[in-house]
Amino acid sequence: DSGVTQTPKHLITATGQRVTLRCSPRSGDLSVYWYQQSLDQGLQFLIQYYNGEERAKGNILERFSAQQFPDLHSELNLSSLELGDSALYFCASSGYRGSDSPLHFGNGTRLTVT
Amino acid sequence: GESVGLHLPTLSVQEGDNSIINCAYSNSASDYFIWYKQESGKGPQFIIDIRSNMDKRQGQRVTVLLNKTVKHLSLQIAATQPGDSAVYFCAENGGQNFVFGPGTRLSVLP
Repeated sequence: DSGVTQTPKHLITATGQRVTLRCSPRSGDLSVYWYQQSLDQGLQFLIQYYNGEERAKGNILERFSAQQFPDLHSELNLSSLELGDSALYFCASSGYRGSDSPLHFGNGTRLTVT
Repeated sequence: GESVGLHLPTLSVQEGDNSIINCAYSNSASDYFIWYKQESGKGPQFIIDIRSNMDKRQGQRVTVLLNKTVKHLSLQIAATQPGDSAVYFCAENGGQNFVFGPGTRLSVLP
């Protein structure tokens, strides 16, 4: 058990809808990362927050947004959903700001857009 | 659970044999590397890491080798067991964040 909790485990929704994915990092970790994993794209970095502030952005669509709250949990909001957004979404946490220590991943949210 | 990367390269090894999984990384500025294991229906799990000031690091039944000259990383698993069957990813910290390789599926044959 990595200590990172993601909810819900599964989400099925229709095109055009909006969903929110939630992540609780390991106790004490200040950095939260979001990754998307699809069959043909591998693990793609979306965005990182450190202690409530956005630190880095990757290949995140404008329809997607995220935030990290004062209690350090994070939410990833996906709107105007398209079929191609179906994927596994992982949250990871780290105790550090930079990329020089391991990321610890949750078990993901499987999003299916129909 | 959901299958990850149905078209991943696959390595099949006999139970008890040693496994070697290779990874080519892209950024010569990367100075920290990690191997992850991902089982079906789960998130990537940290196995072992190595910094660029080392060329070898050992853990329990696993060894990571780093060759900076050719930008190559390998993961060796000794006495491979059925529980080692999974997809293995390397990650490098080039740029601001970790970049993951495409993964290799390890299949352990009885």
